[in-house]
Amino acid sequence: KNEVEQSPQNLTAQEGEFITINCSYSVGISALHWLQQHPGGGIVSLFMLSSGKKKHGRLIATINIQEKHSSLHITASHPRDSAVYICAVSTDKLIFGTGTRLQVFP
Amino acid sequence: ETGVTQSPTHLIKTRGQQVTLRCSSQSGHNTVSWYQQALGQGPQFIFQYYREEENGRGNFPPRFSGLQFPNYSSELNVNALELDDSALYLCASSLTGGLGELFFGEGSRLTVL
Repeated sequence: KNEVEQSPQNLTAQEGEFITINCSYSVGISALHWLQQHPGGGIVSLFMLSSGKKKHGRLIATINIQEKHSSLHITASHPRDSAVYICAVSTDKLIFGTGTRLQVFP
Repeated sequence: ETGVTQSPTHLIKTRGQQVTLRCSSQSGHNTVSWYQQALGQGPQFIFQYYREEENGRGNFPPRFSGLQFPNYSSELNVNALELDDSALYLCASSLTGGLGELFFGEGSRLTVL
């Protein structure tokens, strides 16, 4: 069993829909990262969380340390949000989930 | 633009050869970490350098080695290349020994034939 599990693995949505991606982990962490990876490889850090909730534009990330669970929400999704979203947790190293591939259609 | 640059962007090697990949970290960042991402997989942690010392390593054999220089740039060296080493190699820089936000480079795509 992977130490970091994401769901769903693949997600398609119509433009404007509200999207949720989930991440569960089984290890003690110092922080959790949400990352975005576009085709071609480059990774962008969206959020780093150790508690509570953060918001940036249309993106919201929450974490529940007791339940070892985090969610990434995208409000009013847009085709440019299409990417792979990766959850990663910081222990003595960074452990990545396998990613959620999101496609948003006009 | 994250301020993290990697070189080369693409390269092709043959089995048994050696490769060196380079990463220039964002100004002021003292920590660089390296990751291997096989096609269709999530990244896997290779190792991390903090102030020129390796301070964390994933499950990679000793033929994967690295260096961090006084200006905090870094190299990843892979000896005796195998076909399974074909992957995207990503580096990320951060402050405070890896506890801060990560800034990734665009990656170096290695193909081993």
